[in-house]
Amino acid sequence: GNSVTQMEGPVTLSEEAFLTINCTYTATGYPSLFWYVQYPGEGLQLLLKATKADDKGSNKGFEATYRKETTSFHLEKGSVQVSDSAVYFCALILMDSSYKLIFGSGTRLLVRP
Amino acid sequence: ETGVTQTPRHLVMGMTNKKSLKCEQHLGHNAMYWYKQSAKKPLELMFVYSLEERVENNSVPSRFSPECPNSSHLFLHLHTLQPEDSALYLCASSHISGTGGELFFGEGSRLTVL
Repeated sequence: GNSVTQMEGPVTLSEEAFLTINCTYTATGYPSLFWYVQYPGEGLQLLLKATKADDKGSNKGFEATYRKETTSFHLEKGSVQVSDSAVYFCALILMDSSYKLIFGSGTRLLVRP
Repeated sequence: ETGVTQTPRHLVMGMTNKKSLKCEQHLGHNAMYWYKQSAKKPLELMFVYSLEERVENNSVPSRFSPECPNSSHLFLHLHTLQPEDSALYLCASSHISGTGGELFFGEGSRLTVL
């Protein structure tokens, strides 16, 4: 079946540390891939996306590259801030089921000053 | 107003009450969704409406009843809920296209069932 697997959290980092949150997927077709972020007490916000292999999505210093050969879409940031503390969700949409967003379980990030 | 708006933000109800959650989108999208977010569980897709027709119903108990009167409004009617239904209910909208469209979420309605 189609699924998204994320590394379990929480991930705890000091401010200005390098961040990687791993995400791998299983899909029967050619998905578009997304990272969403949920800040405390809020809904989910789209952080970045990539629609085809080798595309790189980027936003607010975060980046993720669509790697078809490894079926991965790892999220990275060179220098995290306390304000980046949130839950991060990797997700995919399949072209043959374009209304159905499949989420990973989420990874909580805590950045300490 | 812009984006996706959900009301109420917080709701406490007894197991015999009837209440409704409301969602409104101002983005011109053609699909709307209800998701359930419980502690320590993945996001669960409950219902999807595309062009006001229900296209997805993921085995949700009948005590949850969705309604989509038009492309901008979505309701979730609640009746005879159980304590395990306590969760954050998220509404989302998207523009369905051939390549798939990202979802835009509201801030959620926090439901507590006593």
